[in-house]
Amino acid sequence: KAGVTQTPRYLIKTRGQQVTLSCSPISGHRSVSWYQQTPGQGLQFLFEYFSETQRNKGNFPGRFSGRQFSNSRSEMNVSTLELGDSALYLCASSKIAGADEQFFGPGTRLTVL
Amino acid sequence: AQSVTQPDIHITVSEGASLELRCNYSYGATPYLFWYVQSPGQGLQLLLKYFSGDTLVQGIKGFEAEFKRSQSSFNLRKPSVHWSDAAEYFCAVGAADSWGKLQFGAGTQVVVTP
Repeated sequence: KAGVTQTPRYLIKTRGQQVTLSCSPISGHRSVSWYQQTPGQGLQFLFEYFSETQRNKGNFPGRFSGRQFSNSRSEMNVSTLELGDSALYLCASSKIAGADEQFFGPGTRLTVL
Repeated sequence: AQSVTQPDIHITVSEGASLELRCNYSYGATPYLFWYVQSPGQGLQLLLKYFSGDTLVQGIKGFEAEFKRSQSSFNLRKPSVHWSDAAEYFCAVGAADSWGKLQFGAGTQVVVTP
């Protein structure tokens, strides 16, 4: 069974640009969560989608947004990039709603110059 | 608000020695608890989880963890570490109404010496 896939794996952008990251969950998983990982702040929850609906959101500015498609694939978008947005962005999928075990992808390493 | 504390930022252990990583949580209801491991440049791999039932849970790679409600702890143990266990370990807590949100601890970096 294929795991969670994330594309691209690495990305370099400049301040002010926008970026879109993609996540394909494990087949049959309907919930997708996104996390930001930085050395200073650790792993922080961004948002979670289930059946194309955002059900939970972390404490991030509105520049961070996401969506989920009918096939459960998800994208997250960051507009007007700032240097502090440089991070590893991790996507995780789970079968059901609530606190199910989450399976993580390898992440997208975003560098903002 | 739920929170997770991993008191040890860094642990060095000799190969073949035992390992214990500490995790304390703060949550009003019964938490769902997880341990994940992350190798450099990789995503997180689930080692084990606790939802309910037996408080001693077995995971992959020879790891186990014990849930102690009275101490709000969920410590991870391995009797004999291998060089390949060198990685960063994260404790996480979730809840039934958390809608996909896991709260992670800061992580413990484990170094294994020959």
